[in-house]
Order: sequence, then structure tokens, then C-alpha cells
Amino acid sequence: KAGVTQTPRYLIKTRGQQVTLSCSPISGHRSVSWYQQTPGQGLQFLFEYFSETQRNKGNFPGRFSGRQFSNSRSEMNVSTLELGDSALYLCASSLGDRGADGYTFGSGTRLTVV
Amino acid sequence: DAKTTQPTSMDCAEGRAANLPCNHSTISGNEYVYWYRQIHSQGPQYIIHGLKNNETNEMASLIITEDRKSSTLILPHATLRDTAVYYCIVRAIIQGAQKLVFGQGTRLTINP
Repeated sequence: KAGVTQTPRYLIKTRGQQVTLSCSPISGHRSVSWYQQTPGQGLQFLFEYFSETQRNKGNFPGRFSGRQFSNSRSEMNVSTLELGDSALYLCASSLGDRGADGYTFGSGTRLTVV
Repeated sequence: DAKTTQPTSMDCAEGRAANLPCNHSTISGNEYVYWYRQIHSQGPQYIIHGLKNNETNEMASLIITEDRKSSTLILPHATLRDTAVYYCIVRAIIQGAQKLVFGQGTRLTINP
């Protein structure tokens, strides 16, 4: 079966712009989580959605937002980009909202802000 | 979620068993132990998870001590493709609180 699909794979943006990243979970998975990975901070949780509702949010500024659609696909948006937002953005999906089945990660979107 | 402690790096010879330890002395009764690995610039890959019984799947075995304060991930016959950063994560299965807290992990190098 198809895995978690993230688009685009690579992106270059200028400071001050905004960006939208997309994540398509495994078919049937209803939970989608987003993570940011940087060399300095490692993997950090951004937010998690289940059935179109945000269930949990990490410690990121309001410039970072997301949503989930009825088909479980999710998008995250970063407005007013800063150089420090350059990172690998990963999404993960799981079957239910309890995570007992483990999470499947996508390959990520590498965002470079210049 | 309980904090985990892992060695920063480890080496293992190809074909041998790789044993990766993890300490989680503050684990509580309802917290699971998860293992993921990440190969450079790819998304983390789920390996295995368990609560208190030892677990085995096609990738690895997970040995959890009786007091649950530590665990060991075993890759029975390591290959060069097992070179990666391995993360041990402890988290509770709580409805509506779905996040994984990643530490720095163990950088495992498999040597030919």
C-alpha cells in the first residue's frame, strides 16, 4: 500500500513569504502529526490532527498553523517565514487516535528560507 | 512522557547482533516504549514497540526489563543498511495527546 506522501520534497522560499506543505496519510489512517527537524533542535512536535480536529499542539509560534480535510489529508502553513524556519518538515500518520499501532512517517519536505 | 537516556553512538560489526540500550527509569505503568530509526534525511521508520512483555517482529526484538526501567533493542544480524540514528521513546497512549518526544538518539554505525 502507498505510504505517507509529502509534497513538495524540496522548497526554497524568501524571508517574509508564506508556505503551505501537504501530507497525504496512508489510506484509512485518520491521525496526522507534523514535526520539524533541525540540526540544532532535533525532531520537535508541531501539531496533531484527528478527524479534522487539532488534538495537540507543540511550542511553536502562531505563524505555524495546520488543518486536516475530511479525507484525512493535512496541510501545514508557515507565514512570514524566517531564516530559522529552514528545516525538514515531517508528517506521520496512524490508524487511530491512540497511537498503539505506531506512526508511519513520510519522507519530509525540506524547506530552505533565504 | 518519561525521559529516556541512550548512548550517543555505537558501533557494530556487520553480521553481528546490535544491542541498543535505553534507560527510562521514570516510566509509568501506562507508558509504552517505542523504537524508531532515521537514516540520513529520510523520515523516521517505526521499528517496534512494547509495554511490558518482550516483543519480536521481522525487524527486531525488544527486551524490556521486569521493572520496566530499561529496555534493549536487538537487531539480530546487522547489515550496513542498519546504519542510522535510533530513537527510544516512551509515551502514554492517551486519547487526544498524540505526540512523540524524540531525544538525541543513538547513532549506530555498522562496520563491514
